[in-house]
Amino acid sequence: KAGVTQTPRYLIKTRGQQVTLSCSPISGHRSVSWYQQTPGQGLQFLFEYFSETQRNKGNFPGRFSGRQFSNSRSEMNVSTLELGDSALYLCASSLALGTGAEKLFFGSGTQLSVL
Amino acid sequence: DAKTTQPPSMDCAEGRAANLPCNHSTISGNEYVYWYRQIHSQGPQYIIHGLKNNETNEMASLIITEDRKSSTLILPHATLRDTAVYYCIVVLGGGSNYKLTFGKGTLLTVNP
Repeated sequence: KAGVTQTPRYLIKTRGQQVTLSCSPISGHRSVSWYQQTPGQGLQFLFEYFSETQRNKGNFPGRFSGRQFSNSRSEMNVSTLELGDSALYLCASSLALGTGAEKLFFGSGTQLSVL
Repeated sequence: DAKTTQPPSMDCAEGRAANLPCNHSTISGNEYVYWYRQIHSQGPQYIIHGLKNNETNEMASLIITEDRKSSTLILPHATLRDTAVYYCIVVLGGGSNYKLTFGKGTLLTVNP
């Protein structure tokens, strides 16, 4: 089975631009969550989608948005980029283990640099 | 979710067992202990999880104390490729994993 695929792997943008990142989960996984990782703040939860609906949201401004398609692929969008948005953006799909536990499968991430 | 405490760094000789401790003294009865690791610039990788009993899989063993206030991840024969940041996370069962909070973890350096 193919793993979680994120594209692009690297991206360079300038302040004020917008960016769209893509994530394809493992086949059969319906939940996709997004995270931002920076050296200072660590890994922070952005939002989670399940069956095309945003089910949970972290504490990020409205410039960060996302969506999920019927094939479970997900995109996240950041508008009006700021220098502080430079980070590794990770997505993960999850597999319920039937005992209340879950396993998250992460992609390799998109490294976004805002200049 | 319960807070966890891990040493910031550890060293291990290649071929030896690496024992990574984690303190989670405020864990509640229905919270799971998960371990993930992250190799530089890659996404985190699931290693193992447990609730009350010790667990073993092809990657590692997880030892949870009887009072569940601490645990130890054991890599039985560490290799250079095991050099990574290891995260111990405690989270409620039943669909809450999306909000896993990764702290600073333990940087394990495996030396030749």
